[in-house]
Amino acid sequence: EPEVTQTPSHQVTQMGQEVILRCVPISNHLYFYWYRQILGQKVEFLVSFYNNEISEKSEIFDDQFSVERPDGSNFTLKIRSTKLEDSAMYFCASKSQGAGETQYFGPGTRLLVL
Amino acid sequence: DQQVKQNSPSLSVQEGRISILNCDYTNSMFDYFLWYKKYPAEGPTFLISISSIKDKNEDGRFTVFLNKSAKHLSLHIVPSQPGDSAVYFCAAISGGGADGLTFGKGTHLIIQP
Repeated sequence: EPEVTQTPSHQVTQMGQEVILRCVPISNHLYFYWYRQILGQKVEFLVSFYNNEISEKSEIFDDQFSVERPDGSNFTLKIRSTKLEDSAMYFCASKSQGAGETQYFGPGTRLLVL
Repeated sequence: DQQVKQNSPSLSVQEGRISILNCDYTNSMFDYFLWYKKYPAEGPTFLISISSIKDKNEDGRFTVFLNKSAKHLSLHIVPSQPGDSAVYFCAAISGGGADGLTFGKGTHLIIQP
């Protein structure tokens, strides 16, 4: 069964450093998403991406965040200058156009900012 | 502002009995609702969904009920099995396209042998 994959599974970085989280959405899916879950809190929407551009973004997704689909398979989230409060699980999700509203999630990347 | 609320942080149910997980929402624009199951250190796994034009959807042991007038939905699992022990998230979305899901805080379901 096709699944969303994410790399790395864990990342430790120093405050102020740039990180890039990578995702390979399900093949043939057209909508891509990033979410995050701070420890003990709910899963929060960050951004959605469709047709090679950002479709929706939350207030969390400020100028330090960016997304890119550099090729036909990868979808990346870049955090330019990490802060301590960026420590969280980051989940990528994808959805097939015409498949209702079901988004399928990857296993997540645990980001720890020191 | 919690648009999706799961008021029970945890629920303990005996194996073989029915588990009922509840979810309330405040945004009347939500028109599609989903339940996800999550194990520690894994991503949310889709379980079952329901459109606002329906009041019930069933898939095997899982049934979701939607009461639009009360802005309430529930997930029933019967019979409950040990492998059902996980955190269950209710999520909602309005409209189609690229909108993000709004999640509740989750309910930790524990199935007792």
